[in-house]
Amino acid sequence: KAGVTQTPRYLIKTRGQQVTLSCSPISGHRSVSWYQQTPGQGLQFLFEYFSETQRNKGNFPGRFSGRQFSNSRSEMNVSTLELGDSALYLCASSSGLRYEQYFGPGTRLTVT
Amino acid sequence: AQKVTQAQTEISVVEKEDVTLDCVYETRDTTYYLFWYKQPPSGELVFLIRRNSFDEQNEISGRYSWNFQKSTSSFNFTITASQVVDSAVYFCALSIDNTDKLIFGTGTRLQVFP
Repeated sequence: KAGVTQTPRYLIKTRGQQVTLSCSPISGHRSVSWYQQTPGQGLQFLFEYFSETQRNKGNFPGRFSGRQFSNSRSEMNVSTLELGDSALYLCASSSGLRYEQYFGPGTRLTVT
Repeated sequence: AQKVTQAQTEISVVEKEDVTLDCVYETRDTTYYLFWYKQPPSGELVFLIRRNSFDEQNEISGRYSWNFQKSTSSFNFTITASQVVDSAVYFCALSIDNTDKLIFGTGTRLQVFP
């Protein structure tokens, strides 16, 4: 089976712009979660989707949003980018609740 | 509140040494899951193990072993006869409630020198 894929892998944006990141889960997985990884804050949970419904949301401002499509693919959007949004954004998928999550390679976002 | 503590920020060993990575968790839930992930320099998090709160049996997988002790709220990870390829950042994580949300520790960077 193909693993979790994320596009793009690298992105450079300017403050104030918006960005959309994409995640394709492992075939058959219906749960997708997003995490932000920074040197200062470590790995932080952003949101979790299951069957197109947001099941849980982390403590991030409303500029961070996401959605899941009927084929389980997910996107996250960050509007009005700030320098502090520079991070590695990781997507993970799982086959069921609290089963192991498999992570993609991440999208490294740099905001200048 | 739920929390995962990995007190060891960085560990350096020489190849073939055994090394134990510590993980202490906090939760009031009786049902929870614990995980270990490896993050090599490439950046991708690699799943190593999942353990539920009702299963305190230790597990061994090749050179890897895990010791889960509810009495001390610890879930430690030992690598036997370490190899250079084991060099990575290792994360312990906790999930609770009816969710897939993972609460990660700050990670332990393991450097194995030849």
